[in-house]
Amino acid sequence: QSVLTQPPSASGTPGQRVTISCSGTSSNIGSNTVNWYQQLPGTAPKFLIYSNNQRPSGVPDRFSGSKSGTSASLAISGLQSEDEADYYCAAWDDSLNGWVFGGGTKLTVL
Amino acid sequence: EVQLVESGGGLVPPGGSLRLSCAASGFTFSSYWMHWVRQAPGKGLVWVSRINSDGSSTNYADSVKGRFTISRDNAKNTLYLQMNSLRAEDTAVYYCARDHPGTTGIYYYYYMDVWGKGTTVTVSS
Repeated sequence: QSVLTQPPSASGTPGQRVTISCSGTSSNIGSNTVNWYQQLPGTAPKFLIYSNNQRPSGVPDRFSGSKSGTSASLAISGLQSEDEADYYCAAWDDSLNGWVFGGGTKLTVL
Repeated sequence: EVQLVESGGGLVPPGGSLRLSCAASGFTFSSYWMHWVRQAPGKGLVWVSRINSDGSSTNYADSVKGRFTISRDNAKNTLYLQMNSLRAEDTAVYYCARDHPGTTGIYYYYYMDVWGKGTTVTVSS
């Protein structure tokens, strides 16, 4: 059972917009920034969004993040087949004194 | 090129020990905090431990506290994870990751910006 809650799966057709939610508590998302990581099949995770909504260079602007209260979300617009991957949210937890991840969302491009 | 390369994984019986290494290159290793993150087969990412830049401060997930020890040798640009009293549930791919701090001027933020490819640990008799 992960501290942050994500839907186990999401799907969309090419060109569509999908969103992935991440729910936490006041000790993690509610008081710290949220990061998102993308893990393509058989590879190591790669950071996708940091500080709630910041995109590192090289990440397409189709990817965007947002945070409100104790929840965050990742949006992917103009869905492409290469976006098929597992997506994880993460935040520091002040109570646990450690990083917590969501359980991951497997995105399928139909 | 900034790179992290893990090694030391393998098959170990329950109750056994293993030491993982993570060799860093392409950046000033001694300036960065570092993490270990693991992923059990078919499961999600789980943070294991963190160490500050000079090795004087560490944090652990409750599931490994008292059994695992994170350390570093800045002269060798290497991060370590000593794992003792291993259990079947410790079976996972172990990744090392670099911590990247930043500030907006209003608040601080942190994220893991560089990851290794991982090393596999299997705990089984």
